[in-house]
Order: sequence, then structure tokens, then C-alpha cells
Amino acid sequence: NAGVTQTPKFQVLKTGQSMTLQCAQDMNHNSMYWYRQDPGMGLRLIYYSASEGTTDKGEVPNGYNVSRLNKREFSLRLESAAPSQTSVYFCASRFPGQGIFSAFFGQGTRLTVV
Amino acid sequence: QQQVKQSPQSLIVQKGGIPIINCAYENTAFDYFPWYQQFPGKGPALLIAIRPDVSEKKEGRFTISFNKSAKQFSLHIMDSQPGDSATYFCAASRNSGNTPLVFGKGTRLSVIA
Repeated sequence: NAGVTQTPKFQVLKTGQSMTLQCAQDMNHNSMYWYRQDPGMGLRLIYYSASEGTTDKGEVPNGYNVSRLNKREFSLRLESAAPSQTSVYFCASRFPGQGIFSAFFGQGTRLTVV
Repeated sequence: QQQVKQSPQSLIVQKGGIPIINCAYENTAFDYFPWYQQFPGKGPALLIAIRPDVSEKKEGRFTISFNKSAKQFSLHIMDSQPGDSATYFCAASRNSGNTPLVFGKGTRLSVIA
């Protein structure tokens, strides 16, 4: 049981290049999330998908787009990378409902934009 | 506007000490408060979580204390060990809905032998 899988684990981009970060979960969770982590800033929500077919902006959506491909997969796209997007990106999934259901995180994608 | 405020930013304790990390929230609709532990190079992992109908929850050496009226909650680590050295994040959300977790900025804990 892999949980939440992110690819790639590391990436270096040049300013202006585009790329897609992939995320897949095998826990049959409805909700999926993309966060970025920067030193001293904690985890900030970029976009989320409460269920298959829906996506919503989070706290820091500018410069990003997302696709909820199916229930398992949620991708994050950088159309024109900027140095300010250098960060560690985490995908998470969660089954919302009664009881305590927490979010499970992937191992992260470390992105550097030069 | 930061919805969850976490303090301190960093903390150094001796082995066996009891580090305490505090969080305060603003949204009274929050009803689920987890703590996450993150080691370098890894994703955050759930440590312990609490609902506002109880004032304290213990799991092993980790305890959450919750004060609903003050809108504050804290993590206590009993008999801390060097292996507890990590970054800790508090978070909050409405558990019964589809709203995402909102995180504090994190506390870097170092436990020295």
C-alpha cells in the first residue's frame, strides 16, 4: 500500500519553463491537496480538490494550475516557472467525513527554478 | 490573515525534558486539530489529533491539551528523546466538511543528549 506518491522527487527548471508535478493516492480518498513549504512559512495551500471533478484555489494559487484527472490523481502545473516558485511541494489526500480522518502526505517534490 | 498561530519557531531541550509547543486559532468553526511531525527530507506525518469535545488526549509520550474558550491548543512531549528532533506543525480544519487543513508555521525542535 503506497499511500500518496509524488513524482518527480527533485527537479531543476530554468525560468520560463513549464512542468507538471504528478500525485497519485491509492487510499480511495475523496479530497486531494497541493501545498508548498518554504522556510519559516509553514505549509501553504495552493489548490485543492474536494472531490473528483472539482478544484478550488487555496491561499497561494497564482502561477499554478491543477487537474483532477480521476479519483486517484491530482496534478499541479507550472506554466512558466519563476524563481519565486522554488519550494518543496507536497501533495496530500484526505477522506472527509465523520470521525477523525487526517490528511496523508507524499514525500514531496523539491523544485528549484534558476 | 494567519488563521493558526504557532509558537515558538524553534525550541531546544535536554533529553528527558518536556517541550511544549503552542497554537492559537481564530475560526470558531474549526473542529479538528491535528499535529504533524516532519523529519528532514520527508513529508509531514500525523502524530496525534483532537476534537474540541475533550480537553486532553494522550498517545504514548505525546499529549494534546485543548482550551476551547481560549481557542488554544498545545503539544507536550514527555521524556523527550533525540529521535524526537523534528519540525512540528499544528493544524486545524472543519473535519466534517471538505475544507482543507490550515497549518501553523512550524516549530523546529532539537532534543540534545
